[in-house]
Amino acid sequence: ETGVTQTPRHLVMGMTNKKSLKCEQHLGHNAMYWYKQSAKKPLELMFVYNFKEQTENNSVPSRFSPECPNSSHLFLHLHTLQPEDSALYLCASSQGQGNYEQYFGPGTRLTVT
Amino acid sequence: AQSVTQPDIHITVSEGASLELRCNYSYGATPYLFWYVQSPGQGLQLLLKYFSGDTLVQGIKGFEAEFKRSQSSFNLRKPSVHWSDAAEYFCAVGSPNTGNQFYFGTGTSLTVIP
Repeated sequence: ETGVTQTPRHLVMGMTNKKSLKCEQHLGHNAMYWYKQSAKKPLELMFVYNFKEQTENNSVPSRFSPECPNSSHLFLHLHTLQPEDSALYLCASSQGQGNYEQYFGPGTRLTVT
Repeated sequence: AQSVTQPDIHITVSEGASLELRCNYSYGATPYLFWYVQSPGQGLQLLLKYFSGDTLVQGIKGFEAEFKRSQSSFNLRKPSVHWSDAAEYFCAVGSPNTGNQFYFGTGTSLTVIP
């Protein structure tokens, strides 16, 4: 595996379900990110981790809970979601904190019913 | 606050024609600028970046972009478009003062007709 991988690629869940998104980067990077991509809106940065420590939380609702057990893995735990949370969730990584270019995974297409 | 504007929501060009996608940013100091491309069902791929130096930057797949400070612009160009260039294109801006924060535009969807 190379680059940034995300699983699952597609997820349909009810509002009462609990699920998790997984991201893994094989680039030796130290920073990882979660973005939300909705139609016709700019990418929204949700969370940033640098050396496993959370450095950014852009006022994301608590029904989204990130976890970064090491620099290569990032999870997004989901519970009690709303239909408006349906979107493409993208994971990215970069060499470090600061303005290094970010490398993106293919995303998880989430549908909340 | 930083912001990025991509005025063109959708552009259609003929294969072999030239292309220019517009990007304007709002930021007080010299920004870091990026162009990404997203094909259907895929994540974003970096086309090129500008941090400093020569204002004309070359990227992958034959793309280039020019940073114009006076116009707060970073337009993406390609002299001859191929059908495989059909995708969504995103401009992004960051800066030394924003840490990990990138600001993305809403994207421009490119259709290439034979």
